Parts: sequence; C-alpha cells; structure tokens
Amino acid sequence: GAVVSQHPSRVICKSGTSVKIECRSLDFQATTMFWYRQFPKQSLMLMATSNEGSKATYEQGVEKDKFLINHASLTLSTLTVTSAHPEDSSFYICSVRGRNEKLFFGSGTQLSVL
Amino acid sequence: GQQLNQSPQSMFIQEGEDVSMNCTSSSIFNTWLWYKQDPGEGPVLLIALYKAGELTSNGRLTAQFGITRKDSFLNISASIPSDVGIYFCAGAQGGSEKLVFGKGTKLTVNP
Repeated sequence: GAVVSQHPSRVICKSGTSVKIECRSLDFQATTMFWYRQFPKQSLMLMATSNEGSKATYEQGVEKDKFLINHASLTLSTLTVTSAHPEDSSFYICSVRGRNEKLFFGSGTQLSVL
Repeated sequence: GQQLNQSPQSMFIQEGEDVSMNCTSSSIFNTWLWYKQDPGEGPVLLIALYKAGELTSNGRLTAQFGITRKDSFLNISASIPSDVGIYFCAGAQGGSEKLVFGKGTKLTVNP
C-alpha cells in the first residue's frame, strides 16, 4: 500500500488565494520530508526540506514567505502556497525518507491558478 | 546547482524491444536512483544503487552504478505497453539527503 499520502491531488484556485497541500507519512515517523516542484515537461526540483519541530530549509531562489512549510508532527508536513499567482501553477510533490534510506514520493498535487 | 544529463530525451520503440537510457554528471554521486512517473502521478522508485560498479535488476529492469560514480544506465528488456511513462534518474552526493534529478526520458511503446 501507499507509504506517503498527499492531498489534494488537484486544486484550482483564483489568483491571490492561498492553497494548502498536505503530505502524510503512513507507515513510519518522518523527521524530514522534502517538497519538490515540477513544471510541465520538466524534471523535479527540490524546493525545501521540512524538518519536524523546526524551521524548513529552503533552496536558493525559493521564497520562504510565499511557500510556507509546517512540519508539526512526525507524520504530517504541509506546504501552503500563499497569494498564489498563475506562475505558481505546477505539480507539487512531497517525499519522505523511509526505512533503508529509500525515498518515497506522494502522488503529487496539480495546482492551477486562474 | 548540480545537474544530471539524461539521455535520450524521448524514445519510440516497438513492443518487445530492449531499451537503454543513461545519466551522466560532471560531479561524483554516492547514490543513483531510477524512477518512473506516470501522467498526473508522483515518481515511483524502480531501482536504487549505492555502490560504484553495482549492477542491480528488478524484473525486466537492470541498472548499473558507473565505476567513476559519475554515470548510471537503466536497461529495460522486452518492453511492454505498460512500460510507457517518463523515467528519471536521480543522484545524491555524500552525506546529503537532497536528490538531483535528470530531465527525464519519455518512453513510448507501440503495440
């Protein structure tokens, strides 16, 4: 069964609104989760590393005030896209490092900002 | 940042044919991973390689971690229609949990 659950799978919102995406680790406690973004026909790019109980670590060029990450428990990390704009439309994917150091991915969230 | 050069960008093959794709880098990686992504879904791990020279199989898939630690290849034997998708290589450097992804190889299998 699924190791990582990501919700919602698809969201359409108006420009200026905020969108929250959840990533849950189902089988184990995860102190670290990762958030990636994938534009059409492009590869995945790491946005940030979510650390349980502390601040997330953002990659260069990623606005931390725009992409809010909250890792409040060992099984849940959330990514909030604040004041979304059309250029934020993308496929967002979370991942969790599990047992044996394997990386498991969520099924992704397709965000469309009108 | 770090980049992986993945080739070919796309492949169109007949069912039953073998497929080969590879990734190269100018930097050394300590871990190489191969993923498959179906439309609208997240990537699924196919094979993980942790040691230079390692050759690992998963069913009809075989992947190798290059001796120089700067490259890896993935072979698919006797392709079937459900092999269609985008295949990504990914690498991690020593002590890092961050993965760097290739740009993907889009595979189309004609029945």
